[in-house]
Amino acid sequence: QSVLTQPPSVSAAPGQRVTISCSGSTSNIKNNYVSWYQQLPGTAPKLLIYDNNKRPSGIPDRFSGSTSGTSATLGITGLQTGDEADYYCGTWDNSLSSWVFGGGTKLTVL
Amino acid sequence: QITLKESGPTLVKPTQTLTLTCTFSGFSLSTFGVGVGWIRQPPGKALEWLALIYWDDDERYSPSLRSRLTVTKDTSKNQVVLTMAFMDPVDTATYFCVHIGSALGDFWGQGTLVTVSS
Repeated sequence: QSVLTQPPSVSAAPGQRVTISCSGSTSNIKNNYVSWYQQLPGTAPKLLIYDNNKRPSGIPDRFSGSTSGTSATLGITGLQTGDEADYYCGTWDNSLSSWVFGGGTKLTVL
Repeated sequence: QITLKESGPTLVKPTQTLTLTCTFSGFSLSTFGVGVGWIRQPPGKALEWLALIYWDDDERYSPSLRSRLTVTKDTSKNQVVLTMAFMDPVDTATYFCVHIGSALGDFWGQGTLVTVSS
């Protein structure tokens, strides 16, 4: 059971927009920065979003992040088949004194 | 260009101690704010954070695994070593080392699969 809750799967058609939610609590998301990671099949994860809404160099602006209270959301617009991957949210948890991840969301581009 | 690479045994027996080395380049672990972390992923499962060490020797560990983990750094060799005691088959996973700069995991190693079996 992950500290951060993500939907197991989401799907959308190419060109569409999809959002992935990450639900936490006051000890993690509400008071710490959230990161999002993309893991393409058979590869190591890659940082997509950090500090809630910042993109590392090279990450297209089709990817966006936001937070509201104890939840975070990853948005992806203009879906491409190459976006099919597992997506994870992560942040620090003050109560646990631990970095925590969500259980991951598998994105399928139909 | 920041790169990290994990090395160590691919197979360990139950109750043995696992020692993994992360060898990195493109940054120094003596630079303010920089750290190296360890994350694992059992086959088909989610990511799990294990430990991290910062430039100032600050160490943090997963509460559930703290008693079994040790992380050390050798700044001169550009290496970070993770040891995990009392390995069990449930510890079978791909182990990643990551750079900590703008965030945990702004750069990742390729990962190394460790299987625990007798």
